[in-house]
Amino acid sequence: KAGVTQTPRYLIKTRGQQVTLSCSPISGHRSVSWYQQTPGQGLQFLFEYFSETQRNKGNFPGRFSGRQFSNSRSEMNVSTLELGDSALYLCASSIRGLDGYTFGSGTRLTVV
Amino acid sequence: GENVEQHPSTLSVQEGDSAVIKCTYSDSASNYFPWYKQELGKGPQLIIDIRSNVGEKKDQRIAVTLNKTAKHFSLHITETQPEDSAVYFCAASNSGGGADGLTFGKGTHLIIQP
Repeated sequence: KAGVTQTPRYLIKTRGQQVTLSCSPISGHRSVSWYQQTPGQGLQFLFEYFSETQRNKGNFPGRFSGRQFSNSRSEMNVSTLELGDSALYLCASSIRGLDGYTFGSGTRLTVV
Repeated sequence: GENVEQHPSTLSVQEGDSAVIKCTYSDSASNYFPWYKQELGKGPQLIIDIRSNVGEKKDQRIAVTLNKTAKHFSLHITETQPEDSAVYFCAASNSGGGADGLTFGKGTHLIIQP
C-alpha cells in the first residue's frame, strides 16, 4: 500500500517568487492536511481539505493557499515568498479526517 | 486556541530502560491525542493514539495514559531499543485532527544509550 507522496522533496526559491507543492494521499483517504515544520515554531497547522472543500485554516497569512482535486490529491501554494517561509512542509492524509493521520516525508523549501 | 506543552525536550536513557514523555493541554474540548515519532529526514509517523473516553491504551512496548481532569497525557516506552532513538511529538485536537488540525508539542529528542 503506497503511503503519502509529496513532490518535490527539495526546492530552492528566491524571495518574492511563488511555489506550488503537491501531495498525493493514501488511496481512499479523502482528508488532506498541510503543516509547516520549523525549528523555532515546531509543527503548525496550515489547512485541511475534505472532499475538495477547505474545512479550516490555521493562523497563516493569505499568501498561503491550497486546493484539493476530485481524486483527493492536494496542492498548496505560497506566493510572494519570504525568507521566513523556509521550512519543511508536510502533508498528512486520513480516511475521514477523524483520526489516524499519515504524514508524507515532506517538501524542504529553502527561500534565498 | 489549544496549547500543548511537552516535557522533557531531551531524554537520554540506557538501552533496556523505560522512557516517559509527558504532555499537558489547555482546551478541555480536546478529545483526540496522538503520538508521533519522527526520524531524521522523514515525516512524523503515528505510533499510538487515544481518545478522551479511554484512560489508557497499550501496543506492545508502547503505552499512552490520559488524565482528563488534570489535562495531561503521557507516552511510556518500555525495554527501549536503539531504534527507538528519534524525536517524539504529542498532539491534541477536538476534531480528531481534521477540521481544526492537530496542535503539536515542541517535541522530545529521545536518545537511547547502548
